[in-house]
Amino acid sequence: QVQLVQSGAEVKKPGASVKVSCKASGYTFTGYYMHWVRQAPGQGLEWMGWINPNSGGTNYAQKFQGRVTMTRDTSISTAYMELSRLRSDDTAVYYCARVAEVVVVTSPFDYWGQGTLVTVSS
Amino acid sequence: DIQMTQSPSTLSASVGDRVTITCRASQSISSWLAWYQQKPGKAPKLLIYKASSLESGVPSRFSGSGSGTEFTLTISSLQPDDFATYYCQQYNSFGGFTFGPGTKVDIK
Repeated sequence: QVQLVQSGAEVKKPGASVKVSCKASGYTFTGYYMHWVRQAPGQGLEWMGWINPNSGGTNYAQKFQGRVTMTRDTSISTAYMELSRLRSDDTAVYYCARVAEVVVVTSPFDYWGQGTLVTVSS
Repeated sequence: DIQMTQSPSTLSASVGDRVTITCRASQSISSWLAWYQQKPGKAPKLLIYKASSLESGVPSRFSGSGSGTEFTLTISSLQPDDFATYYCQQYNSFGGFTFGPGTKVDIK
């Protein structure tokens, strides 16, 4: 069965960076685009960007360009999202989410990780 | 970027009620719209894709309609498990996958 298992909660100081991992299993990792979505406490869902696990190609939401880097390690079927220059308003649960259709980026998200809480506090 | 709005932001309803949530896009997205359900502390769950296609395993009381800029999610007979927050998402743009602000369905 498809599973996306994310790394554990993080506490960071303002200005630091955080790297969240998302380990995929139960399907061909390189066949499906992976997206990252975040949710601040009590707020809605905010799309951050995607990575093509096959090519490593990425596309980031304009809001995060220059601060976010999405990478992957195909040998261990794991995607990563690194966010730099953290601020207090980056405190959120960060989710990885797989698209539903193989080799298609324009597709809804059918499997989600369990979420990783990142707290930014001095 | 394409902006998404939802109405209402909160909806109070009773078990057995028919519930309708509206989602609007700032420009045409054809039928590239999905609906998700989210419960507190959990990841979102895909309910509807391509505006009206029911995701496998989702109860048939959920249905979606619309195209272009206006869409609706309907729950034909609200069940206790349906009290949650619902989000629409456009996935038309190669550059963005914007979510609506959400509609919380709570108990009247």
